[in-house]
Amino acid sequence: SAVISQKPSRDICQRGTSLTIQCQVDSQVTMMFWYRQQPGQSLTLIATANQGSEATYESGFVIDKFPISRPNLTFSTLTVSNMSPEDSSIYLCSARRGSYEQYFGPGTRLTVT
Amino acid sequence: DQQVKQNSPSLSVQEGRISILNCDYTNSMFDYFLWYKKYPAEGPTFLISISSIKDKNEDGRFTVFLNKSAKHLSLHIVPSQPGDSAVYFCAARLTGGGNKLTFGTGTQLKVEL
Repeated sequence: SAVISQKPSRDICQRGTSLTIQCQVDSQVTMMFWYRQQPGQSLTLIATANQGSEATYESGFVIDKFPISRPNLTFSTLTVSNMSPEDSSIYLCSARRGSYEQYFGPGTRLTVT
Repeated sequence: DQQVKQNSPSLSVQEGRISILNCDYTNSMFDYFLWYKKYPAEGPTFLISISSIKDKNEDGRFTVFLNKSAKHLSLHIVPSQPGDSAVYFCAARLTGGGNKLTFGTGTQLKVEL
C-alpha cells in the first residue's frame, strides 16, 4: 500500500478565487490520480497526473479549470480555478503501485461561498 | 449513465452476523473489480479485489463473489464487527481502459451491537 497525505484538509473559499491542493505519497509510485466526490454522489475521476508531462483529463474536465502538476514520482497538485459554488466537493488524490488497486489520500473538503 | 450501481444506500446488520453488500454493473467490458471502505473524513481504503476470470476471492473476513452472467458482484463480511460500520464502494476497471476506475454510489453499512 501507500501512505498519502493531502493539504489542506478543508477550506472555505470565495467565488472566483482559486485553490491549490497538494498530494504527497510516502514513496515513489507509477501513477497518481485526482478524483472529485460531490455531495451524495460517487467518486469521479478528474484526471491522471503524469510525471513530467501534461495530465490526462477525463471527459467533462479541462486543464484551464483544473490545472495539475506532477513534478516527481511522489508529489502532485490540483488547482481548482475560478471557483463557483458548484465546485464544492471533496477532492481526493490517489496513487497506484503495481496492479490496479489505487490508494487514496484523506481528501480535501472544499466549500465555495 | 451509471455503469456501476449499488442499489442499497444503506444496510443494518447485527454484530457477529453476515453482511452482504451488492453491486451490479452494465458494461461487460469491465475486467477487474474492487471494493473500498470509507470512514467519515477519511479517504477510501482498498479492501479486496477480483479479476473477471475468477468467481471468488477471499481475504480473512472478506469474500468477494463475481457472477459474470448476471453482471453482479457481492462483498460478504463474516462475522460483522462494529468497526466495519462505514460506506462501502464497489469499483470496476474497463478492459483496455487504462487506469480509470468507475465507482458505484456506495452503501452505508451499520453494524449494531
